Amino acid sequence: GAGVSQSPSNKVTEKGKDVELRCDPISGHTALYWYRQRLGQGLEFLIYFQGNSAPDKSGLPSDRFSAERTGESVSTLTIQRTQQEDSAVYLCASTRSGFSGNTIYFGEGSWLTVV
Amino acid sequence: GDSVTQMEGPVTLSEEAFLTINCTYTATGYPSLFWYVQYPGEGLQLLLKATKADDKGSNKGFEATYRKETTSFHLEKGSVQVSDSAVYFCALNAGAGSYQLTFGKGTKLSVIP
Repeated sequence: GAGVSQSPSNKVTEKGKDVELRCDPISGHTALYWYRQRLGQGLEFLIYFQGNSAPDKSGLPSDRFSAERTGESVSTLTIQRTQQEDSAVYLCASTRSGFSGNTIYFGEGSWLTVV
Repeated sequence: GDSVTQMEGPVTLSEEAFLTINCTYTATGYPSLFWYVQYPGEGLQLLLKATKADDKGSNKGFEATYRKETTSFHLEKGSVQVSDSAVYFCALNAGAGSYQLTFGKGTKLSVIP
């Protein structure tokens, strides 16, 4: 597609429920990133995919968080048993290959509110 | 570890005023430095970048110079417009094959007519 597409754009969920956030990267981009932005904070790195493998999951905050990617296409970030501190904007980004100075393109984010 | 510190916002300026948003960094090696901008209702966009010391990145009237001696990458614009109202993020990539961007907390700029 023309840009990185994320869905849903907004999600309100009850504490304890599971949520799935989806990211469609730019066609041909092999590298995909998930970041989290809490209110008033900078962007926190969550996970990086090169193709469908995830060489770096170090940013995932707990075992309630997981992500997968199908080939060099769609990625899903899943949060199980959501907590209020999970409320944030979840940003997906992609780039042509591993970063090395290539421009990273961001989606508009999925705004998650846990009540 | 790598980190980026940028000035706290929000910043409110009148149209045609001079803008400076300070950014300093801590990194090992030779990082590349970036400014990203997020307009209301839109995703983050790369505004400008510099990949080595003394490089100047520029775009849309914005400039930033990579100063290794002061570990800084301050964003400047000589005359801001209402359309520049956005959140600005300073970021670095550590280089040497690193694939991550490390971001500052962002500075919200509001330009009033």
